[in-house]
Amino acid sequence: DAGVIQSPRHEVTEMGQEVTLRCKPISGHNSLFWYRQTMMRGLELLIYFNNNVPIDDSGMPEDRFSAKMPNASFSTLKIQPSEPRDSAVYFCASSPGGPRETQYFGPGTRLLVL
Amino acid sequence: KNEVEQSPQNLTAQEGEFITINCSYSVGISALHWLQQHPGGGIVSLFMLSSGKKKHGRLIATINIQEKHSSLHITASHPRDSAVYICAVQALKTSYDKVIFGPGTSLSVIP
Repeated sequence: DAGVIQSPRHEVTEMGQEVTLRCKPISGHNSLFWYRQTMMRGLELLIYFNNNVPIDDSGMPEDRFSAKMPNASFSTLKIQPSEPRDSAVYFCASSPGGPRETQYFGPGTRLLVL
Repeated sequence: KNEVEQSPQNLTAQEGEFITINCSYSVGISALHWLQQHPGGGIVSLFMLSSGKKKHGRLIATINIQEKHSSLHITASHPRDSAVYICAVQALKTSYDKVIFGPGTSLSVIP
């Protein structure tokens, strides 16, 4: 299996631009997680999907952030408009059966907002 | 006070030394994870445990539910063990077991 796939791996954009991060979970996994990692705050859960349905989006910072999972093999995290404080590494992870099972992380997307 | 704490924050060891990283938490949990993040940034799950002890190669993870404490041990440490080790708990909150991460322990093993 190819593992969790994320794209792009790196993104540099200017403040105010829209940013879309993409994730393909491991085939057969029914849970998908978006995390953000910064030096100041470490790893934080942004949103958790189970069977394509958002279960917990309490970690989504504000209305500028939105996430979708239109089918079991694809999810997006969108930031519109982006701000410099959104600069971070964004990880996507999937698990076979939910939060109580081992999560498999993607390589992350390094986002820099100038 | 953070719900998940780790000690030490940073650790430097000589190759071959026995290493212990500690994790303490203040919430009820269903499981605890140890993650490894290499300098390149990738994150790998090392262990998931809810009781007792697990061993994989030179790595051993233990958990004491009553004391709300877990340890990650590395025997015969090697420079390739240099990484950030992150403790994460599945907290018994709301409608599902939400994951809460510790701040991480940065380990450097010197040849």
